Amino acid sequence: GAVVSQHPSWVICKSGTSVKIECRSLDFQATTMFWYRQFPKQSLMLMATSNEGSKATYEQGVEKDKFLINHASLTLSTLTVTSAHPEDSSFYICSAMGLAGDEQFFGPGTRLTVL
Amino acid sequence: TQLLEQSPQFLSIQEGENLTVYCNSSSVFSSLQWYRQEPGEGPVLLVTVVTGGEVKKLKRLTFQFGDARKDSSLHITAAQPGDTGLYLCAGDPGTYKYIFGTGTRLKVLA
Repeated sequence: GAVVSQHPSWVICKSGTSVKIECRSLDFQATTMFWYRQFPKQSLMLMATSNEGSKATYEQGVEKDKFLINHASLTLSTLTVTSAHPEDSSFYICSAMGLAGDEQFFGPGTRLTVL
Repeated sequence: TQLLEQSPQFLSIQEGENLTVYCNSSSVFSSLQWYRQEPGEGPVLLVTVVTGGEVKKLKRLTFQFGDARKDSSLHITAAQPGDTGLYLCAGDPGTYKYIFGTGTRLKVLA
């Protein structure tokens, strides 16, 4: 089956620093990847859609300058949380859509804690 | 804003009991998926339903898509402790950008 990995699986950083999270499709190519945020005991909220070779599209209320997304290849998308603050602490999950476009495969998530 | 409301929010039952989780919206979806998520992990796809009125079975799990494609249900027969987790429905309004439901947290006690 299709496998999506995320790195790191968890990260702790100081307030004001930037953190980069990688999302990789290991055995398939993904023209589209999605980034979600999940707060404790809540559902997934779509943050942005990452398209290979073009700018990401952000959902309403998500600051594009704070959450930088780069989708430089068909197997890698990165999310950089810039100038992180404690309220950015969350579980960040990516998903990748196969070329057939009919199913998305989720990564294991990255837990970010900002002190 | 399209919303997917799940009910109940929380459910704690004894092993062997049956349960149904509902996923409701006022919007029409071209397809709807159900996921199960365990703590600290990403969601795992259980099923995708596409046709109004469609029923799919996965062992002890039965999924139904409403005739109008606005709602869905997940029924678990003879629940087991291994069924414990967060169940999420997610609807595609036709853009391939799935909207996730509010979630149902299930705990099955041995």
